[in-house]
Amino acid sequence: LAKTTQPISMDSYEGQEVNITCSHNNIATNDYITWYQQFPSQGPRFIIQGYKTKVTNEVASLFIPADRKSSTLSLPRVSLSDTAVYYCLVGGANNNDMRFGAGTRLTVKP
Amino acid sequence: GAVVSQHPSWVICKSGTSVKIECRSLDFQATTMFWYRQFPKQSLMLMATSNEGSKATYEQGVEKDKFLINHASLTLSTLTVTSAHPEDSSFYICSARRASGGRSYNEQFFGPGTRLTVL
Repeated sequence: LAKTTQPISMDSYEGQEVNITCSHNNIATNDYITWYQQFPSQGPRFIIQGYKTKVTNEVASLFIPADRKSSTLSLPRVSLSDTAVYYCLVGGANNNDMRFGAGTRLTVKP
Repeated sequence: GAVVSQHPSWVICKSGTSVKIECRSLDFQATTMFWYRQFPKQSLMLMATSNEGSKATYEQGVEKDKFLINHASLTLSTLTVTSAHPEDSSFYICSARRASGGRSYNEQFFGPGTRLTVL
């Protein structure tokens, strides 16, 4: 089971780009990488998912190097409302492993 | 689409009573549902994985007789906290995996959570 490691916390300012990196050294061949956002007293919300290289959607980009042992979530021009905890999960389509790591608490300051 | 609801959103009960929390996938069928518990300032802790029509698989350290999980249909799973005690007070969150389709593998749709307070 792939374990993930993320920085515990990060600070940023409005308008900046934020990059949060997740390490998953023992990722398996059929594992995907998924990032979630969680606000206090709410369930996590799906942000983005990828397998390799780069994925981009309307809210974020996900960069995955060739060895797939890490991934970086990139949030362009963050706002105060992006203050939340961000989790990366690693798992495959047929793998029921949905254990969360500690997550990264992002604080966006004015 | 892909909405998961939980009921109730919060509950306060006396110690020793049982509390049932419902998790429903409103617009899709979920072959697998997951139950999590989250304490303040901590990450989500997976309690059990529930597949429709079969017994739930509990994580190590989670008492299956205390946290009863029933996944009777493709849209409903319930978690019953039996003989609740103050230490069971927590934020309980469910998630559901779509039976087919969806924009990505392994995409989980999370419910809004249920805040349980045991007095």
